[in-house]
Amino acid sequence: EIVMTQSPATLSVSPGERGTLSCRASQNINSNLAWYQHQPGQAPRLLIYDASTRASGIPDRFSGSGSGAEFTLTISSLQSEDFAVYYCQQYNNWPWTFGLGTKVEIK
Amino acid sequence: QLQLQESGPGLVKPSETLSLTCSLSGGSITSDSYYWGWIRQSPGRGLEWIGNIYYTGSTNYNPSLKSRVYISVATSKKSFSLSLRAVTAADTGVYYCVRDGAAVVTAPTAGMDVWGKGTTVIVST
Repeated sequence: EIVMTQSPATLSVSPGERGTLSCRASQNINSNLAWYQHQPGQAPRLLIYDASTRASGIPDRFSGSGSGAEFTLTISSLQSEDFAVYYCQQYNNWPWTFGLGTKVEIK
Repeated sequence: QLQLQESGPGLVKPSETLSLTCSLSGGSITSDSYYWGWIRQSPGRGLEWIGNIYYTGSTNYNPSLKSRVYISVATSKKSFSLSLRAVTAADTGVYYCVRDGAAVVTAPTAGMDVWGKGTTVIVST
């Protein structure tokens, strides 16, 4: 199975600042990668799919990049509602696998 | 707008079978663009993909659970179900049902774009 490694585990950012989250796959997954935001007590929300395509209704401060095995999620200017846990997930090979998440917290 | 709702017992005894159902409203389960899946999150852990099913009954399972898991679909009831046998405390967690476009080339959106609110299952005596 493909192992997804996210870094850092925790990202401390001040509101209004940029946040950069990384995700690495253990093998080439082309652009078959999604990013999700997970707020406590809520269902995860799809942010990005195909590595760089924003899902419906997602603000343009969220952007994804990368291909192959290295990916990045960038939040250009963090808003209060953006402090959450973010997961990457590959769908290039069965079984689908998630990273362990990056917690974005208020600095 | 499509909504998903999980239902099932919140408490299951060890060694018994966990059974959950996901009901759709506002959409079609026979769409040829999506699979229907199950995801879980155990306490203090991340998200784990359990498996999914196409409306035709074709399934994919996580190998780590494959010997214990069964997913079925009931198109007439617009629902799909998860059965997990021989549960232990490690199966405690929040279980989500999802719509998954990642495995279908014609899907408008890859990834899991619709989620149920999740249901908490505790495995305990």
